[in-house]
Amino acid sequence: GAVVSQHPSWVICKSGTSVKIECRSLDFQATTMFWYRQFPKQSLMLMATSNEGSKATYEQGVEKDKFLINHASLTLSTLTVTSAHPEDSSFYICSAFPPGGKETQYFGPGTRLLVL
Amino acid sequence: KNEVEQSPQNLTAQEGEFITINCSYSVGISALHWLQQHPGGGIVSLFMLSSGKKKHGRLIATINIQEKHSSLHITASHPRDSAVYICAVRLGSYGKLTFGQGTILTVHP
Repeated sequence: GAVVSQHPSWVICKSGTSVKIECRSLDFQATTMFWYRQFPKQSLMLMATSNEGSKATYEQGVEKDKFLINHASLTLSTLTVTSAHPEDSSFYICSAFPPGGKETQYFGPGTRLLVL
Repeated sequence: KNEVEQSPQNLTAQEGEFITINCSYSVGISALHWLQQHPGGGIVSLFMLSSGKKKHGRLIATINIQEKHSSLHITASHPRDSAVYICAVRLGSYGKLTFGQGTILTVHP
């Protein structure tokens, strides 16, 4: 079945630094990928939609200059948390659709970010 | 009020019991997903429904579009079924999902 990977699986960084998270579709091409954030004991919240070859679409309340998304190829989207602060500590998950329809979303394993 | 409401929020069962988790939504949807999230965080898509009923092993998912309601059933529950089960709805063909708050299921041996 389709597989989506994320790297790194966890990261600890100092406040003020930037962190890049990669989301890859391993055996299919994805023109659209989604980035979600999940705080402890809460459900997932969509942050942005990553579109290959064009600008990402951000959800209301998500700062596009803070959460930079690049979808440079059909198998890779990256989320960069710029100037990270402790309140950015969260679980970040991506998902993608295989081509040919929007039947099933495949989710990455997630990246746990801790900002000290 | 959330667009997607799940019940119960927490569910404890003994191994072997039949389990039902409910999901109600308030808007028209193109599809509904049931997801499973294990303690490590990884999410697995269990079902995608737009009508009727689907079955996979011990899992059964149903949806009633007119009543805007879906249920996830687990037959002969097992401790390995312990996880968070999340209902998510898709509002168009675009793929963007809106999530319920999740149901924490614990199955005791």
